[in-house]
Amino acid sequence: AQSVAQPEDQVNVAEGNPLTVKCTYSVSGNPYLFWYVQYPNRGLQFLLKYITGDNLVKGSYGFEAEFNKSQTSFHLKKPSALVSDSALYFCDVMGRRALTFGSGTRLQVQP
Amino acid sequence: GAVVSQHPSRVICKSGTSVKIECRSLDFQATTMFWYRQFPKQSLMLMATSNEGSKATYEQGVEKDKFLINHASLTLSTLTVTSAHPEDSSFYICSARGLGGGKLFFGSGTQLSVL
Repeated sequence: AQSVAQPEDQVNVAEGNPLTVKCTYSVSGNPYLFWYVQYPNRGLQFLLKYITGDNLVKGSYGFEAEFNKSQTSFHLKKPSALVSDSALYFCDVMGRRALTFGSGTRLQVQP
Repeated sequence: GAVVSQHPSRVICKSGTSVKIECRSLDFQATTMFWYRQFPKQSLMLMATSNEGSKATYEQGVEKDKFLINHASLTLSTLTVTSAHPEDSSFYICSARGLGGGKLFFGSGTQLSVL
């Protein structure tokens, strides 16, 4: 069965520290992978995607994600967190059969 | 870029009435649309996948007769909350995936308040 998992409901990190928001998946075929962000009182926004090519993809606001086929993961990362990065983050996976969102991870960046 | 329009943005209704929410892809054809529900400060919950020309696929625990989904064309999906009750009050969001398995485009959401 296809699935996508974000194992952490919340991630807390201090401003300036690196952050990681985890996503793992199980799909048939080669997946398309996406990250979206929902800032407080705002709609969902696209951050980045992986279709093919370089396993490390760079996206908006300094975020990047690494596709790891052997670990079936697509973790979102940022070298230095900002308070303004505090938001809900969703991992989205498109496999042979349409599949969407992880359950979301709330990122809280403390000043 | 691609835009998904969701209407209305806010609706208040009396208990027992039905409310229809529209989700339109404005400049692309969407064979698949998704409907989500979001409670305050919580994650999105996928309710159903709407497929053009066929029945929607509902997630476990979502009442099909309560949340009617119609995807009659490649640019329009509707969600009808039937016989609404106060516990149906929530933020409903739709999204559409571009052709070729592209990224999702989101509507701006509908805040439903049932009195």
